Order: sequence, then structure tokens, then C-alpha cells
Amino acid sequence: KAGVTQTPRYLIKTRGQQVTLSCSPISGHRSVSWYQQTPGQGLQFLFEYFSETQRNKGNFPGRFSGRQFSNSRSEMNVSTLELGDSALYLCASSLQGGKDTQYFGPGTRLTVL
Amino acid sequence: AQSVTQLGSHVSVSEGALVLLRCNYSSSVPPYLFWYVQYPNQGLQLLLKYTSAATLVKGINGFEAEFKKSETSFHLTKPSAHMSDAAEYFCAVSGGGGNKLTFGTGTQLKVEL
Repeated sequence: KAGVTQTPRYLIKTRGQQVTLSCSPISGHRSVSWYQQTPGQGLQFLFEYFSETQRNKGNFPGRFSGRQFSNSRSEMNVSTLELGDSALYLCASSLQGGKDTQYFGPGTRLTVL
Repeated sequence: AQSVTQLGSHVSVSEGALVLLRCNYSSSVPPYLFWYVQYPNQGLQLLLKYTSAATLVKGINGFEAEFKKSETSFHLTKPSAHMSDAAEYFCAVSGGGGNKLTFGTGTQLKVEL
């Protein structure tokens, strides 16, 4: 089975712009979660989607949003980018969520200038 | 609420020596505990998972971890380090009904000749 894929792998944006990141889960997985990884804050949970519904949300401002499509693919959007949004954004998929094991993609490296 | 503490942000061992990476958790409900490894410019790879079925969990690449409820610990060990083990290791906990993983701050493992 193919693993979790994320596109693009690298992205450079300027402050004030918006960005959309994409994640394709492992086939058959219905839960997709997003995490932000930075040197200062470490790995932090953004949100989880299951069956096109946001089921869980971390402590991030409303500029961070996401959605999930009927084929379980997910996108996350960050509007009005700030320098502090520079990070590695990781997507993880699992069968049903809950305590199912999460499998991570390679991440999207976002740099905000 | 759950939390994880990883003692030692950097650990250095000689090739062939024992690897011991420490993780202590806090959880108000029976936890699921995970160890993930991250190689440079890659996502997270699951090493092993504790689900209460057995206190000693064997993972990939010769790693294992023992769940000790009395000590609230889930330390990762490997009898003999290999150069290819050099990477960053993250302990994580989930529980309470959600899919959210709460990560420790990570331990960078260096393996020297």
C-alpha cells in the first residue's frame, strides 16, 4: 500500500499571503490529522478530520483551517501568513481515528519570508 | 489531559552500546503510548505502540519499550546501537477518546564509532 503523501514538499511564501497544503491518506484510512512542527514549540496538533467533519481541534488561531473530501483526502489552509508560521506541517492518517495508529507523511516545509 | 516528558534532548552512545531513551507520561485515562523516529527531512515513522495488551512492547529495528504504570514511564531501549539509529526520537501519548497525539520534545540520538 502506498503511504501518506503530501504536496507540495516545499513552499516559500511571503507574509500576508495564504497557502493550501494537501494530504492523501493511506487507502482505506478515513481519519486525517495535521500537526505543526517547529524548533521552538515542537510537534503540536492542529486538527483531525473524519468523514469530512472536523472532529478535534488544537489551540491554533482561526487562520488555520482545513477540510476533508469524500475520498478522505484533506487540505489545510493558512491565511494571512506570519513569519511564525514557518514550520514543517505533517499529515497523519489512521483507519478510524480514536486510538488507531497514525501513519505520517513526509511533511510540507513552509517558509514564510 | 495528557502530557509526555522526555529526559535528555541529546543522547550520545557508541556503536554497539545500549540505547536508553527516557519517557514519562501523565494521563488521566489509561494511555496509549507510542515511540516515533524522525530522520532528517522526513516525516515520523512508528517504532512501536503500547495498547495495554502487554507491558513489554517490541518494535521495529530491534527497539523495545516497557510500560511501567507505577513509574509512569515508557522508556525505549535497544541492546546494541547502530550508526543508522542516529535520528530524533519522539514519545507520544493519546487517550481520552480523541485521536490527538501529544508529543514529547524529542531526543536526538547520536551514534559514534
